[in-house]
Amino acid sequence: ILNVEQSPQSLHVQEGDSTNFTCSFPSSNFYALHWYRWETAKSPKALFVMTLNGDEKKKGRISATLNTKEGYSYLYIKGSQPEDSATYLCAFPLPTGANNLFFGTGTRLTVIP
Amino acid sequence: EADIYQTPRYLVIGTGKKITLECSQTMGHDKMYWYQQDPGMELHLIHYSYGVNSTEKGDLSSESTVSRIRTEHFPLTLESARPSHTSQYLCASSGWGEHYGYTFGSGTRLTVV
Repeated sequence: ILNVEQSPQSLHVQEGDSTNFTCSFPSSNFYALHWYRWETAKSPKALFVMTLNGDEKKKGRISATLNTKEGYSYLYIKGSQPEDSATYLCAFPLPTGANNLFFGTGTRLTVIP
Repeated sequence: EADIYQTPRYLVIGTGKKITLECSQTMGHDKMYWYQQDPGMELHLIHYSYGVNSTEKGDLSSESTVSRIRTEHFPLTLESARPSHTSQYLCASSGWGEHYGYTFGSGTRLTVV
């Protein structure tokens, strides 16, 4: 079992605020780091798959950075909207290989209108 | 727009019954996965498949079994349901390699009474 930790566990922000949360993972034997968004009563959706140290990816108001040497990734949401309310999961490939992912417990974001 | 389908969405069943959770994908992905999530806990990999006639156990021990007779179909079976099997079960598929994100189904929420 890998040690993939996400913080904070939950977060409430006002509409329009920017926010960020953290995923920490083992820095040895790095292959990739995945971010998913999971809205209530829907299926988790892939946001980013990051593979290179220093990588920064962006999709609309959401962006992510990656530091493989120190084993962390940040997810940023600029100008949060109520539709951003979801659980954000990061995941790291298991040592078994073959893209089997180990998921963190997630950060549950609630954006208050 | 779902490319991966899970049925049923919700299931309440009595102890001792045999159940099959269905999962089908239309993307031609070779890799398929079953994850289990207990309330407030991480997603845990219970089964995966590399392709037709391939099934492997994941990092979390499970009494369920899976089969992969066709590329698009990856059903999960519990021969005799017990209350300890109450959980959410998510099916996913992906391409090969750690840079491929998963496509998830909407999940089956199973309650065994």
